Amino acid sequence: SQQGEEDPQALSIQEGENATMNCSYKTSINNLQWYRQNSGRGLVHLILIRSNEREKHSGRLRVTLDTSKKSSSLLITASRAADTASYFCATAGRGANNLFFGTGTRLTVIP
Amino acid sequence: DTAVSQTPKYLVTQMGNDKSIKCEQNLGHDTMYWYKQDSKKFLKIMFSYNNKELIINETVPNRFSPKSPDKAHLNLHINSLELGDSAVYFCASSFVAGVNTGELFFGEGSRLTVL
Repeated sequence: SQQGEEDPQALSIQEGENATMNCSYKTSINNLQWYRQNSGRGLVHLILIRSNEREKHSGRLRVTLDTSKKSSSLLITASRAADTASYFCATAGRGANNLFFGTGTRLTVIP
Repeated sequence: DTAVSQTPKYLVTQMGNDKSIKCEQNLGHDTMYWYKQDSKKFLKIMFSYNNKELIINETVPNRFSPKSPDKAHLNLHINSLELGDSAVYFCASSFVAGVNTGELFFGEGSRLTVL
């Protein structure tokens, strides 16, 4: 299976702290993406990192990719209560026609 | 304007019934998808269409039949509904498919409950 796995499954932090989520996957990829899902809503794309990139930033988000370890991390700095959501990594494999999603990390930011 | 819209948002029905979920995207994308999210939030691809042509058909019971009348629409019809079909079904679209699969735009989901 190409599906990724996020770690931890759930994370609870205080507002202002940083949150780090990890994703591991099994096969070679073309790119890896992170998505956010608020409760009862659809998924929203956050950031895409290509297989030849090692780090990418977008606002308070920092994503790293280690293709040798088949892993990625998402760091959210200075978290806010509005960051409370589930976060999913998704991989686009070489030759694949779609994204395979991980199992998600449920982040709770306590005001 | 909603980019990817799906209807209905909620669907409650009895076992054995047939139901449809509709999806439309106004982004001009070539590729559309159906994903199923179970109660544990696991998202699984079901189907993918590129320019009205089926390109992915994962291991899904043949009770599920997608229909794409044009590249802006991808509907999902489910026959003989079973309890295990209860889930949230998400429609999504993207500009490209294949190895350059880019960002997916998701609808808000259709929560199906089979009683």
